[in-house]
Amino acid sequence: LAKTTQPISMDSYEGQEVNITCSHNNIATNDYITWYQQFPSQGPRFIIQGYKTKVTNEVASLFIPADRKSSTLSLPRVSLSDTAVYYCLVGWSGNTGKLIFGQGTTLQVKP
Amino acid sequence: ETGVTQSPTHLIKTRGQQVTLRCSSQSGHNTVSWYQQALGQGPQFIFQYYREEENGRGNFPPRFSGLQFPNYSSELNVNALELDDSALYLCASSLLAEPDTQYFGPGTRLTVL
Repeated sequence: LAKTTQPISMDSYEGQEVNITCSHNNIATNDYITWYQQFPSQGPRFIIQGYKTKVTNEVASLFIPADRKSSTLSLPRVSLSDTAVYYCLVGWSGNTGKLIFGQGTTLQVKP
Repeated sequence: ETGVTQSPTHLIKTRGQQVTLRCSSQSGHNTVSWYQQALGQGPQFIFQYYREEENGRGNFPPRFSGLQFPNYSSELNVNALELDDSALYLCASSLLAEPDTQYFGPGTRLTVL
């Protein structure tokens, strides 16, 4: 699976929009981009997945430029409960189910 | 819809012992994967089971083994425990056709003394 690079940590304040960018220069044609969220002492939770352009759901938006070498997870109007680690995964785990997690981005939302 | 559950929540073992961790998959899911997460790190893939057979394995030694049962529940067994096995063990269920969308349980915190 393609290697990803994302910031180790980010700080924000309640009510702000947060954008976390992930670089994946070696993304392959068949690769999807998937983001997971993990709260302390819990398992990761699937947030959003996309292939190109823009994807939006009730939790977040995912922006993917035409070259697909990066992607940006956008969280609108964050609250304290959005404090978590966010992982960017790139690739298709195929029939092995092998998701490859990096260190993720620790987002700290302050009041 | 029942989510993924794991037991026990916490466990303390001593070096050399054996441990069994359990997982109940989300209703309707036929695939279960196990991950090890050390403190401050992302989860590391151990293996996946589909239809009671191992379907993929990460870089873990043979003393890490598993089982999947007809009801899609699963066990992770670790023999000859080492201090470095101390970690959060996560179980995730999914559909084989949607491998990138996995639903994780809360994990079992294993401490090896």
